[in-house]
Amino acid sequence: TQLLEQSPQFLSIQEGENLTVYCNSSSVFSSLQWYRQEPGEGPVLLVTVVTGGEVKKLKRLTFQFGDARKDSSLHITAAQPGDTGLYLCAGRAGGTSYGKLTFGQGTILTVHP
Amino acid sequence: DVKVTQSSRYLVKRTGEKVFLECVQDMDHENMFWYRQDPGLGLRLIYFSYDVKMKEKGDIPEGYSVSREKKERFSLILESASTNQTSMYLCASSLRAGLGKETQYFGPGTRLLVL
Repeated sequence: TQLLEQSPQFLSIQEGENLTVYCNSSSVFSSLQWYRQEPGEGPVLLVTVVTGGEVKKLKRLTFQFGDARKDSSLHITAAQPGDTGLYLCAGRAGGTSYGKLTFGQGTILTVHP
Repeated sequence: DVKVTQSSRYLVKRTGEKVFLECVQDMDHENMFWYRQDPGLGLRLIYFSYDVKMKEKGDIPEGYSVSREKKERFSLILESASTNQTSMYLCASSLRAGLGKETQYFGPGTRLLVL
């Protein structure tokens, strides 16, 4: 079973601060996704990275896939209260996995005004 | 817009009851998934289905079964509910894998409490 270790589990910061969330594994993934979940809702996809070393930016969010495709990070610049939520990384194995994803434990981010 | 709906947002059941959780998607997706979400454990896959009447066990299938008689509908069944099945249950759907970029679209979840 592939595992994804996500850290930190909790982050509580002030508006305007920067933060990084990490997602690590000993397994190689063919792609890695980041989802964000708000209370009372299901997770919503933020980004998919598929190439080792790939960097994608989504406004103040920067996502990186490790060169060996075993790890990923999410960096938020100048966090805002609207960024508050649960962030989940999810990796997809190669082969006939029917689109199955392995999820990390999640990072609960709270941004205080 | 993809829409995944779940039959109930909140459910309270007694130990030993048979529980049905239903999920419907409107985007003609081949794949459908059932997860449970518990604090500190992320999302854990219970079962998934890649076609009508096809199903495969996920990581934690014990105590659960599923049914997919129609493409748009995927049901999760707790044959005899137990207190350790108290959790948030999330349904998701996606296109058939092939490009490595398939998005999973999630329903809002069903919070199940077993007393």
